[in-house]
Parts: sequence; structure tokens; C-alpha cells
Amino acid sequence: KQEVTQIPAALSVPEGENLVLNCSFTDSAIYNLQWFRQDPGKGLTSLLLIQSSQREQTSGRLNASLDKSSGRSTLYIAASQPGDSATYLCAVKDNYGQNFVFGPGTRLSVLP
Amino acid sequence: NAGVTQTPKFQVLKTGQSMTLQCAQDMNHEYMSWYRQDPGMGLRLIHYSVGAGITDQGEVPNGYNVSRSTTEDFPLRLLSAAPSQTSVYFCASRQGGGVSYEQYFGPGTRLTVT
Repeated sequence: KQEVTQIPAALSVPEGENLVLNCSFTDSAIYNLQWFRQDPGKGLTSLLLIQSSQREQTSGRLNASLDKSSGRSTLYIAASQPGDSATYLCAVKDNYGQNFVFGPGTRLSVLP
Repeated sequence: NAGVTQTPKFQVLKTGQSMTLQCAQDMNHEYMSWYRQDPGMGLRLIHYSVGAGITDQGEVPNGYNVSRSTTEDFPLRLLSAAPSQTSVYFCASRQGGGVSYEQYFGPGTRLTVT
């Protein structure tokens, strides 16, 4: 059974820092991996989707990498801003079924 | 496009009451799903549907029913509410087989069962 973990559970950084959020999964036979952002009391907003054949995806100040063989993905946020404060979740879809398995999330606070 | 919409935004139920959480999408997505989100546990899949007339159970289906009579709508029914069903419920949709499988989420329904 696929399990997804995210480290750290919470992170607090000063504005302007570059930071890395980690996502690990136990079964490397994944179809794709998706990173989401969730603001307090809100739904999930898709940030980046990486197909299993890709190594990374970039959108603005965000860069997500995927290493299937080691069961890891990282989300890199450059020049963090207070508006980046949110919970970041990763989810993986494996090759076998229709569904995604989510990690518990990393709660990020960027201090002005 | 409104995307994925959910109603109501908030609901308080007494133990034993029943209710239906509504979900609709206007993107002609084949696949729809319901998740619940509890503190420290991430999102867990309740039920999902790969198309009109086809539904299946996810990780935590007990106490919930679903049906999919149209492509657009995927309601979630709580048969007899219990305090353990206090949670935030999210509906999601995506295109069917192949392509990117990128998921789109609704804003959520916050349910409290007393």
C-alpha cells in the first residue's frame, strides 16, 4: 500500500529565504505526483504536476523535482514571500488504480 | 468555468441525522471523488466515480453513500451522522484515463456532528 510522508510538518522562515519541502513515497511505481497549496479554511490549489517520465517542473518561483527510484520529490520555493504562507501537500498516483494518495502536508509560515 | 463547486460551506448536524453534501463540476470530467480531511491525517478517499453510473469505495467508505447519475454531479450522503464524521469534506474531479490526471478541488464543506 502506497504511503506518503512529508517533512518537515511545519516550517517558519524569514522573508526572502529559499526553501525546500520534502515528500517521500514508499512505492516507486507511480504514474505522477502533484503538489498542492492549501490556505487556511480553503480548498486545494494545484501548483505543479510531474509525470513519472519527468525529472522536474517549474512554475515561476516554484520548482518541483522527482526521483522515482529513491521515492522522493522536493518542492523548491525561491525568494519566499509572506503570501507563500500556507500548507503544502503532495499526492501521488500509482500505476495500479485510479486514485491519489496524499501526504499530511507541511505548514509553511514566511515571516515579514 | 466555475470549476468544482460544493454546497453547503458549513453544516452542523445532530447525531443520527442524515444529509447530502452536493458537488458539481462544469469541466466535463469523467472522474470525481470525495475526500475527508482531518488534522494530522491528510486527505483520505471516501468514494470515487470513473463515470456516470459507476462508483466505487475508497479508503474510508463506511457511513457514506454516493451515486453518479450525471457527469456533472456527485453527491455524498451521510446516512446517520456520527461525531466521528466531523471533518472537512472535499470533492475533486479530473479527466479520465490517460492525459495528465491533474486534479481540481472544490472549496470544501466543514461538517460538525454534535
